[in-house]
Amino acid sequence: EADIYQTPRYLVIGTGKKITLECSQTMGHDKMYWYQQDPGMELHLIHYSYGVNSTEKGDLSSESTVSRIRTEHFPLTLESARPSHTSQYLCASSLGTGGRGYTFGSGTRLTVV
Amino acid sequence: KNEVEQSPQNLTAQEGEFITINCSYSVGISALHWLQQHPGGGIVSLFMLSSGKKKHGRLIATINIQEKHSSLHITASHPRDSAVYICAAAFGNEKLTFGTGTRLTIIP
Repeated sequence: EADIYQTPRYLVIGTGKKITLECSQTMGHDKMYWYQQDPGMELHLIHYSYGVNSTEKGDLSSESTVSRIRTEHFPLTLESARPSHTSQYLCASSLGTGGRGYTFGSGTRLTVV
Repeated sequence: KNEVEQSPQNLTAQEGEFITINCSYSVGISALHWLQQHPGGGIVSLFMLSSGKKKHGRLIATINIQEKHSSLHITASHPRDSAVYICAAAFGNEKLTFGTGTRLTIIP
């Protein structure tokens, strides 16, 4: 079954650690996105990719980085985690049909202590 | 500016009540999504609308393009419906703008 997978589902990590949040989709979608949701706030776009080797920053500034070496894989990395990075991170992909063909991951809840 | 507003922010109701959550947006959109976020944070896609009405079980979503407004209805509400409901709009491109969410609590 076509789907989008995010791991881990929950992560509690110490300050200064490097972390990578995984996102994979099996649908062959060219377009993938990372959205961030700070506690009590709405989701905002932090990164997106329209294809392999293409990544762009979103509307909300983020210290994280992303890569897109394969169509199905769009990992997000924080080189040195800080408590301000505590947030919910949501990965999504789309067919590229005006916002209609979206598929959402379940999200990763990151807590940096 | 592309904006999405939801109301109410918080809603508490008794089990069995009919629930309505509203979403308004500022300019024309190509698609509108309704999502459900559970207390643990997991997000589930409920509906994608570009026009008209969709129904899935006890959930109904409608959109009025002229009025730039969408509603999510829950019939015969149940405590397991307690969650945050989020609308998100695509303003002609692939990136979504999200509302702040409506926290729904259904009391047994």
